[in-house]
Amino acid sequence: QLVLTQSPSASASLGASVKFTCTLSSGHSSYAIAWHQQQPEKGPRYLMKLNSDGSHSKGDGIPDRFSGSSSGAERYLTISSLQSEDEADYYCQTWGTGAVFGGGTKLTVL
Amino acid sequence: EVQLVESGGGLVQPGGSLRLSCAASGFTFSSYSMHWVRQVPGKGLVWVSGINSDGSSTNYADSVKGRFTISRDNAKNTMYMQMNSLRAEDTAVYYCAPQRWEVPWGQGTLVTVSS
Repeated sequence: QLVLTQSPSASASLGASVKFTCTLSSGHSSYAIAWHQQQPEKGPRYLMKLNSDGSHSKGDGIPDRFSGSSSGAERYLTISSLQSEDEADYYCQTWGTGAVFGGGTKLTVL
Repeated sequence: EVQLVESGGGLVQPGGSLRLSCAASGFTFSSYSMHWVRQVPGKGLVWVSGINSDGSSTNYADSVKGRFTISRDNAKNTMYMQMNSLRAEDTAVYYCAPQRWEVPWGQGTLVTVSS
């Protein structure tokens, strides 16, 4: 079964960096994923597509502070130079029979 | 501009019905499978249903199977979700999404099932 696993929460200080992890279930380590951001009281926003080789393509207007990388079944989203507006929920997502989402990671910017 | 606009949500009593719409623009709607995704307030994103590009194949999450029906009209660039026998646990914001990596998320439409 295709499952994406994320830690429920993360925190980091203003100006620091944070790295989120999304783990693909066994047998699905070659899958690409997408990362989406959801700020409080807003709809989701597409950030990037991330391939198994670490190559990624970002959405229009996504700052260079956002980057992606991969290792095996793990997909990462790194945000550097954290700003207050980065405080949001971050979801990884892939396509199976339908859309498959991770549970999301809530980022608190200290 | 690529855009999705969801509509049709509202307050409905348990057991009632609603029909959601998703109007698409800025991309070739008829080329994409389309999906409904929902989000209970304070919770994560969950896939609900999908339909292939010509409408000949559909699938549903177990939680809505037999109660919800997805459809589309490619001439109108619009997808629909007929929601029957609504339950309190169907209360959520409903989003539509094309099966592509760069999802142009809309603002969603809120469905509230309550007496």
